[in-house]
Amino acid sequence: KQEVTQIPAALSVPEGENLVLNCSFTDSAIYNLQWFRQDPGKGLTSLLLIQSSQREQTSGRLNASLDKSSGRSTLYIAASQPGDSATYLCAVFSSGSARQLTFGSGTQLTVLP
Amino acid sequence: GAVVSQHPSRVICKSGTSVKIECRSLDFQATTMFWYRQFPKQSLMLMATSNEGSKATYEQGVEKDKFLINHASLTLSTLTVTSAHPEDSSFYICSARALDSWETQYFGPGTRLLVL
Repeated sequence: KQEVTQIPAALSVPEGENLVLNCSFTDSAIYNLQWFRQDPGKGLTSLLLIQSSQREQTSGRLNASLDKSSGRSTLYIAASQPGDSATYLCAVFSSGSARQLTFGSGTQLTVLP
Repeated sequence: GAVVSQHPSRVICKSGTSVKIECRSLDFQATTMFWYRQFPKQSLMLMATSNEGSKATYEQGVEKDKFLINHASLTLSTLTVTSAHPEDSSFYICSARALDSWETQYFGPGTRLLVL
């Protein structure tokens, strides 16, 4: 059974700092990995999707990497802003018989002005 | 991009009543829809997978008689929480998978359920 872990659970940084969020998964048989943002009481906003054949994806100040063999992904946020404050969720789409998304527990990010 | 809506966005009900939540794919057809539950400060847990025209597949530990799922068309799935109790209070999120994009799920905005 796929398990997804995110470290740290919470992170607080001053505005302008670069930061890295970590995600690890136990089963490397995946189709893709996705990073989401969730604001309090809201749904999910998809940030980046990395296919299993890809190593990284970039969108603006965000860069996500994927090392499938080691079961790891990172989300790099450059020049953080208070508006980046949210919970960031990592989700893995497994290629086994389950073929479903498995979510990590998230990292709650607070960017201090 | 593909849009998924949920209705209602928030509902408060008395213990013992039933609540229906709708999930609609607005601009695409979804053969498969997923229902998730999220407790405060926790991640999304898959409750069930529904395919249009067939019975839903429930995850282990999810009571199918309590959480009734109907996927009557390619654009609509409903989740009915029957005889709701305070412990059912949670954030319910649906997602939909398009016919031609089986690796991608589009998420709805969620429904906050509070059972008094």
